[in-house]
Amino acid sequence: DVKVTQSSRYLVKRTGEKVFLECVQDMDHENMFWYRQDPGLGLRLIYFSYDVKMKEKGDIPEGYSVSREKKERFSLILESASTNQTSMYLCACCGRFNQPQHFGDGTRLSIL
Amino acid sequence: GQQVMQIPQYQHVQEGEDFTTYCNSSTTLSNIQWYKQRPGGHPVFLIQLVKSGEVKKQKRLTFQFGEAKKNSSLHITATQTTDVGTYFCAGLASGTYKYIFGTGTRLKVLA
Repeated sequence: DVKVTQSSRYLVKRTGEKVFLECVQDMDHENMFWYRQDPGLGLRLIYFSYDVKMKEKGDIPEGYSVSREKKERFSLILESASTNQTSMYLCACCGRFNQPQHFGDGTRLSIL
Repeated sequence: GQQVMQIPQYQHVQEGEDFTTYCNSSTTLSNIQWYKQRPGGHPVFLIQLVKSGEVKKQKRLTFQFGEAKKNSSLHITATQTTDVGTYFCAGLASGTYKYIFGTGTRLKVLA
């Protein structure tokens, strides 16, 4: 079974800090995704990557960047955290056409 | 841009009642997936529909994909307390490889 591991379940940071969220998958899959989940808004795609060093913006990339140096690891970076980035962040793997996405447990990030 | 609307946002039902959630896309979809997220958990894949007019069943759950491939529904017959959670649809627009998630329907089942 696919395992997607996010480094932290809960994280508290301060405004202006640079924040790193890490995600690792064990499927050797090309596709990885970062979403944020907010009440009433569902899951919104921030960035996705379809191979090492490849990335593409999702629907809400502003204020975020990503890094994919190895196939199994996809990092989300908040360059200068702001309070409106307080949210649940979900990483997902796989999801090629006709394949499901497999999600990590999520990181609940609070920016104070 | 592509949007996927999902209604209702919330639904409370008595145990044993039926439940339906609907998804509508602004564009034609290549396929649609459904996910369930239990309270405190992460979305878990339920099923995928690909063909126009397709209907699939999983025990008490029935999934439909519209003829025009722009809408879908999930129907649960005789809900149980284990059905509690948020149900999301996710549509793959034709010609792309990123899924757009609906806003989700949060189901509460009262025993």
